[in-house]
Amino acid sequence: GQNIDQPTEMTATEGAIVQINCTYQTSGFNGLFWYQQHAGEAPTFLSYNVLDGLEEKGRFSSFLSRSKGYSYLLLKELQMKDSASYLCAVRDGYGNKLVFGAGTILRVKS
Amino acid sequence: NAGVTQTPKFRILKIGQSMTLQCTQDMNHNYMYWYRQDPGMGLKLIYYSVGAGITDKGEVPNGYNVSRSTTEDFPLRLELAAPSQTSVYFCASRYTGAGNTIYFGEGSWLTVV
Repeated sequence: GQNIDQPTEMTATEGAIVQINCTYQTSGFNGLFWYQQHAGEAPTFLSYNVLDGLEEKGRFSSFLSRSKGYSYLLLKELQMKDSASYLCAVRDGYGNKLVFGAGTILRVKS
Repeated sequence: NAGVTQTPKFRILKIGQSMTLQCTQDMNHNYMYWYRQDPGMGLKLIYYSVGAGITDKGEVPNGYNVSRSTTEDFPLRLELAAPSQTSVYFCASRYTGAGNTIYFGEGSWLTVV
């Protein structure tokens, strides 16, 4: 089975940096994804990590440590539009299923 | 670019009724998925398919059935609807390749009363 843990909620200030953590225990591992989901909408892809290290994409970066079963999503220069739920998802060892964590609701305040 | 299309977008069902949520994708993706998302929760995998004619159970398959007769279509059938099936349902698809992300449909809001 797979277990994915994320903080339930976080609050940060516009212009600041925030780090959203994700820990996972899985029977197999074939990559970790981060998605952003605004209320009432479908999730949209943010990042993918399969090897250890940092992947940077504009204001968003994602880090993975496979030995620790740990990832984080780093959001820089926060904007009000970044207020959303951030979902961590792990692909199983066979590469077929993508299992999601419960998501972290990020509130950006001015 | 249609992508992943789900219908209907909203539906109210009475307890015990049955219905089918339709999902079609025009990207020639071989993998397709059905997820449900309860309020304030993450997505739970109901069923998935790795290609036409092949389906498999996810985390929460009870009360649902699927079929995959073509690459494009992956309908989700609810038999004997129950209030516990009130949720938002997302269909998704992706192409082969571990790094390929999945693309979601816009969601179907289902209420069982």
